[in-house]
Parts: sequence; structure tokens; C-alpha cells
Amino acid sequence: EPEVTQTPSHQVTQMGQEVILRCVPISNHLYFYWYRQILGQKVEFLVSFYNNEISEKSEIFDDQFSVERPDGSNFTLKIRSTKLEDSAMYFCANARGAYTEAFFGQGTRLTVV
Amino acid sequence: KQEVTQIPAALSVPEGENLVLNCSFTDSAIYNLQWFRQDPGKGLTSLLLIQSSQREQTSGRLNASLDKSSGRSTLYIAASQPGDSATYLCAVIGNRGSTLGRLYFGRGTQLTVWP
Repeated sequence: EPEVTQTPSHQVTQMGQEVILRCVPISNHLYFYWYRQILGQKVEFLVSFYNNEISEKSEIFDDQFSVERPDGSNFTLKIRSTKLEDSAMYFCANARGAYTEAFFGQGTRLTVV
Repeated sequence: KQEVTQIPAALSVPEGENLVLNCSFTDSAIYNLQWFRQDPGKGLTSLLLIQSSQREQTSGRLNASLDKSSGRSTLYIAASQPGDSATYLCAVIGNRGSTLGRLYFGRGTQLTVWP
């Protein structure tokens, strides 16, 4: 199966600090997504990204969140000022087409203290 | 808004049993449905993708069916093994105004297969 790589696997940060989560996508898979899963809850959509712009974002994805592909390869999620409630597992997902099979990374467990 | 429900929430069976996991969704206007496996503290592994025009999809001991009009899908696991123990997630992509492949997930069924 194609592999999406996420780093770091686990990050602990103090409330109010900025964090950047990174994702190395699959070659030729140009549709990018971030999801998160709070412990014990559903996997929730955050944002979709295609052709260097956001296609759709959920109500969770407020002004504290941003995404980009800084070098045309890696895909990043930045949280500017973390809150306790941002603690969750964050998943990057990647697909070849808009409605094709989505492949997920192993996740970054973010703990805000 | 699309809502996805999975029943049962948890299932514990002895090795060798055939079992069925259920998924239902409220808006039948979907583009496709995808089943995932999630091991504790790990990412999501794609198991099967069913297009809305398909009724069934098979991969090894797994068989997924889709009845779009009634808003239901089932994942059938044949001859279960302890290594099948994981949480199984169902997710749909809508085609009613949603853009570029947003997935709506259920809460999952936590499966335990004991030897």
C-alpha cells in the first residue's frame, strides 16, 4: 500500500506555543487532507488542499490553523497558538484524485499542557 | 449534514467465526464508501473502497457491500483471526455540494478476536 509519512509521531507543547506538523505525501497524489481524532471520538475533517489552495475547511479550522506546501513536496499543518483542546491525534491523508482511495499517515499525537 | 453510524460499537468473538460489521449513513447521495482499520494509537489503513455504482467489493477474507438507496454498508470478515483485532471505521464521501473528497467517519466497531 502507498505510504504517507508524518513527523513527528508525538509532540508535547505548552499552551500558547506554535506547532507545525509535517507530512510527506505519496508521489503523484495531489489531493491533501488533515483530519484529527480526539481520544475516544470520531475522526473529524479539518481541511482539504489542492492546487496550492484550500478547497474546503471545517468549522474546527479557524484562524489559528493554516496549511501549506512550502517546498512543493511536504505538506504542513500549523497551529499558531495551541489550546488544551487541540490535544488530539492529527492525521494527514492523501489521494490521487478527489474521489479516489484516501491513504492516511500514522498520525502525530499532539499533547498540549 | 452527513451522519455515519456503526453498529455494534464493540464485538468480541472466538477465532474462526464469520462476522458482519454494519455501517449506515443518513444522506444516500454519496460518491463512494471506504472501510479502514485502525490499530490502537496508530493510523488508518485502507481496507476497501466501494464506488457508489458498485454493490460489492472483495479483498481476501473481507467483503464489503453497499446499498446506497437504504444508506447501508456491511463489512463481512470470514474466518476471523486474532490478528484481525482492531477498530474498523466506515467513511463516506458525499456528492451533494461537498468538494474534493471530504470523508465523514463513523465512530467505529472495536473488534476483539480471541484464540
